[in-house]
Amino acid sequence: QVHLQESGPGLVKPSQTLSLTCTVSGASTSSGDYYWTWIRRPAGKGLEWIGRIYASGSTNYNPSLKSRVIISVDTFNNQFSLRLNSVTAADTAVYYCASADSGYYVKIDYWGQGTLVTVSS
Amino acid sequence: QSVLTQPPSASGTPGQRVTISCSGSRYDIGSNTVSWYRHLPGTAPKLLIYVDNQRPSGVPDRFSGSKSGTSASLAISGLQSEDEADYFCSTWDDSLNGALFGGGTKLTVL
Repeated sequence: QVHLQESGPGLVKPSQTLSLTCTVSGASTSSGDYYWTWIRRPAGKGLEWIGRIYASGSTNYNPSLKSRVIISVDTFNNQFSLRLNSVTAADTAVYYCASADSGYYVKIDYWGQGTLVTVSS
Repeated sequence: QSVLTQPPSASGTPGQRVTISCSGSRYDIGSNTVSWYRHLPGTAPKLLIYVDNQRPSGVPDRFSGSKSGTSASLAISGLQSEDEADYFCSTWDDSLNGALFGGGTKLTVL
């Protein structure tokens, strides 16, 4: 059983950088079993896939966010992180970290509980 | 605007069977497998179906998935009040080289 927990500031000012970390237990971020994934859900809207990283460090990003996003992995601390720069109110959402089975295109087995990030001055 | 189109709402009475559709294109559903998720805001989303029609262990057989061409469907039989939630389809998009979610369908149990 994989357990994921998001952490980071709940409030970010417009134009600044949103930074979140996901701590993983029950699996190793250095193994090839999963794609380590970030997803968000703004209030009143649907789920939005942000991007993913593999143990090798290779990444895939949502084209609509690609210019502002970096996902990285810290295998020493068994964590992976999200950085989203130049945020606006439209980036206010509940952010989820998740693990997607690497044997499938999109099979997201395990999810964190989510963390609300509000962009406001 | 999501590339995967779902009806915004669906409803049924307890015990009834409901179906939620997900329409895409040859670059996404037409080329890759589909997953379905249930989400209640404030909780973690849950995987219901993967590879079009496979259920993870622990998901009741009341939930079933199907796919034909560029469309997929999730069926829920024996509807229960606890099935009230938002349901999302998901697949990979070869042209975007990224994953997609449908816009979501809010299921109401009357």
